[in-house]
Amino acid sequence: KQEVTQIPAALSVPEGENLVLNCSFTDSAIYNLQWFRQDPGKGLTSLLLIQSSQREQTSGRLNASLDKSSGRSTLYIAASQPGDSATYLCAVRSGTVGGADGLTFGKGTHLIIQP
Amino acid sequence: DVKVTQSSRYLVKRTGEKVFLECVQDMDHENMFWYRQDPGLGLRLIYFSYDVKMKEKGDIPEGYSVSREKKERFSLILESASTNQTSMYLCASSIDGWGAYEQYFGPGTRLTVT
Repeated sequence: KQEVTQIPAALSVPEGENLVLNCSFTDSAIYNLQWFRQDPGKGLTSLLLIQSSQREQTSGRLNASLDKSSGRSTLYIAASQPGDSATYLCAVRSGTVGGADGLTFGKGTHLIIQP
Repeated sequence: DVKVTQSSRYLVKRTGEKVFLECVQDMDHENMFWYRQDPGLGLRLIYFSYDVKMKEKGDIPEGYSVSREKKERFSLILESASTNQTSMYLCASSIDGWGAYEQYFGPGTRLTVT
């Protein structure tokens, strides 16, 4: 059964720093990996989707990498801002070919950017 | 933009009541999902559907059922609500196709069962 782990569970850094969030998964047979952001009491906002055949994806100050063989992904946030404060969730899709299996989520990294 | 809406942001129900949580998506997606989110446990998949009238159990289906009569609407049903079903419920949808497409989430329904 797929398991997803995110390290660290919480992180607090001063504004302007570059930072890395880590995600690992136990079964490398995945179709894709998705990074989400969640603000308190709200739903999930999709940040980046990496297909299993891809190595990385970029969107603005965010860069996500994927090493499927080692079961690892990182989310890099450049020049952090207070508005980046949120919980960041990593999720993988694995399962039967052609099926609509849901995502397996990590427990998230709670990020605080200090002004 | 994809839009996934959920019928209520907050809901309070009594133990034993039958509860319906509704989810609607406006992008003609084939796949729809229900998750619950609990502190310390993260998000867990309850049920998903890959077509009208089709459904599959996720990781924690006990105590829940689902209905998908129309492509855009996916309902989660708590047949007899219990206090351990107090949680945040999140609906999602995606295009079908070999895992290639991202899931889009609704704003969530915070359900309290007293």
